[in-house]
Amino acid sequence: EVQLVESGGGLVQPGRSLRLSCTVSGFTFGDYAINWVRQAPGKGLEWVGFIRSEAYDGTTDYAPSVRGRFTISRDDSKSIAYLQMNSLKTEDTAVYYCARARLVGDTSPFAYWGQGTLVTVSS
Amino acid sequence: QSVLTQPPSVSGAPGQGVTISCTGSSSNIGAGFHVQWYQHLPGTATKLLIYANTNRPSGVPDRFSASSSGTSASLAITGLQAEDEADYYCQSYDGSLSALVFGGGTKLTVL
Repeated sequence: EVQLVESGGGLVQPGRSLRLSCTVSGFTFGDYAINWVRQAPGKGLEWVGFIRSEAYDGTTDYAPSVRGRFTISRDDSKSIAYLQMNSLKTEDTAVYYCARARLVGDTSPFAYWGQGTLVTVSS
Repeated sequence: QSVLTQPPSVSGAPGQGVTISCTGSSSNIGAGFHVQWYQHLPGTATKLLIYANTNRPSGVPDRFSASSSGTSASLAITGLQAEDEADYYCQSYDGSLSALVFGGGTKLTVL
């Protein structure tokens, strides 16, 4: 069974950093791109970014709203993807989900999702 | 303001059908980028219902179907069931933003 579990959320002050983890099981992690998607309170889903598999050079891309502040990385030996969030703003408050692409080599659509971890940015 | 526009809510009685629209522009749906549809229950589960405009992953009932034309797409749900009550999102790619984009979401209420 494919499973993705996010962790690392919590309360953080504006301007500080936080790292989220996405631990997966049930498939060969190294074969697939992983995305991060967030949902602010009372708002819709917003794509954050993705990281491709190492077979596709592990390239990353980000939404304009987080580009330059957030970084996605992966450790294939541990089957974990990370979302490093720096210079956090109050508007980054959201539930953060990781999601796996449907097919090897693709970055979208998102066939499997985790249940999310809440990040609250507040002083 | 979402790049893809969806109605905030739709409703229908059990057994009936509903349609959810997703209106984009020439830089996303109109440019030929595929549309996906997701069923989202916050904090519980998110499910891919439709990919590449009209395709259902295995395990998704054929009560769910979708179409795409011009700068718009739509999701149709027939034979409504109580468990269909959820938020539904369309998703595509926007060439002007160089980013994956979601619609604002539509809350389906089964009366």
